[in-house]
Amino acid sequence: ETGVTQSPTHLIKTRGQQVTLRCSSQSGHNTVSWYQQALGQGPQFIFQYYREEENGRGNFPPRFSGLQFPNYSSELNVNALELDDSALYLCASSLVNSGTVEAFFGQGTRLTVV
Amino acid sequence: EDQVTQSPEALRLQEGESSSLNCSYTVSGLRGLFWYRQDPGKGPEFLFTLYSAGEEKEKERLKATLTKKESFLHITAPKPEDSATYLCAVLSGGYQKVTFGTGTKLQVIP
Repeated sequence: ETGVTQSPTHLIKTRGQQVTLRCSSQSGHNTVSWYQQALGQGPQFIFQYYREEENGRGNFPPRFSGLQFPNYSSELNVNALELDDSALYLCASSLVNSGTVEAFFGQGTRLTVV
Repeated sequence: EDQVTQSPEALRLQEGESSSLNCSYTVSGLRGLFWYRQDPGKGPEFLFTLYSAGEEKEKERLKATLTKKESFLHITAPKPEDSATYLCAVLSGGYQKVTFGTGTKLQVIP
């Protein structure tokens, strides 16, 4: 049990709609990262938030956006959903500047776009 | 751009048959190499972090090693419950961007 929780666990949306996924970081962690994992692939880095600011971004379009709140919980928002957005979305939390670099993952949100 | 290549893509072992999984990487400024275990439909479960060439870590039947170009995950006398996909990932850069390989799907048959 990592202490990282994500909601909802499953979600079905229609193409063109918008979706918000939520993540509660492990207690004491100050950094959250979001990943997209397509079936049979490794997770792909979307972006990272540190102290409520975006601190790095992968090759994802601007319709993928996020927020980190003062309590270190986080949201991933995806606008104008496309069929290819169907994937497992993973949140990972870590404690930057602690001397360790491990990131701990939640169980993910399975998003299906129809 | 950081690259991580894992082999084999899939591995089928008899219970008790030891083997190794390979992770080759190309990265500028390695800050850490990770091994994760992932069960179907679940998030990755952290196993190990390796920081420098020559480092080794062990946990139960698993042992991870690191060289300047690759890492190995050795599985000794595996059991059916070790069946999962094993992911290798590298951390580089000034923030916590982790680049994953596509994983090795391990099946251990009783």
